[in-house]
Amino acid sequence: GAVVSQHPSWVICKSGTSVKIECRSLDFQATTMFWYRQFPKQSLMLMATSNEGSKATYEQGVEKDKFLINHASLTLSTLTVTSAHPEDSSFYICSAINSGRTGEQFFGPGTRLTVL
Amino acid sequence: RKEVEQDPGPFNVPEGATVAFNCTYSNSASQSFFWYRQDCRKEPKLLMSVYSSGNEDGRFTAQLNRASQYISLLIRDSKLSDSATYLCVVSTGGYSTLTFGKGTMLLVSP
Repeated sequence: GAVVSQHPSWVICKSGTSVKIECRSLDFQATTMFWYRQFPKQSLMLMATSNEGSKATYEQGVEKDKFLINHASLTLSTLTVTSAHPEDSSFYICSAINSGRTGEQFFGPGTRLTVL
Repeated sequence: RKEVEQDPGPFNVPEGATVAFNCTYSNSASQSFFWYRQDCRKEPKLLMSVYSSGNEDGRFTAQLNRASQYISLLIRDSKLSDSATYLCVVSTGGYSTLTFGKGTMLLVSP
């Protein structure tokens, strides 16, 4: 299967700082990437759909000015959590669609964010 | 009503047991159905797609009942390595725009 990486795998930061998470498709080109968030014992919730070269589409209730998404190339999307607060602490997972194949979503290993 | 509902479990079973998970979905426009597996603190991984005719992959059998908007997963001869959370996932079109259930936790003991 296709490989998607995320960096960092975990991060601890102080309240008020910004954190950038990278999502890379390592062996395929991904015109579309997705960002999810998962709180403990909760389902993965789609935050936004990231399309290469265009603005991301945010789900209802997700603040686009707080969660900045950039998809500048076919293999990289970034999510920046601006002015992070403790309630932003969560597991952030990206996925990418291999447009050259079946369109299946391949998930990155996730980034665990803890805001103190 | 939640879009995808699952019994959170945990289901505690001994090795070799047969266990079944159920899932219901609310969006009648759903077209694609999947079971994913998620290990603790890891990303979800596709276990199998679910087809109307039912499908089997080794020890795993998935069934879909569109009329009742109900999906099931049967695991036969459970292994210790099957311990994980099983996510029921639906989509209104292919693999994009996936809606996840909260998952059912399975614990297989020796």
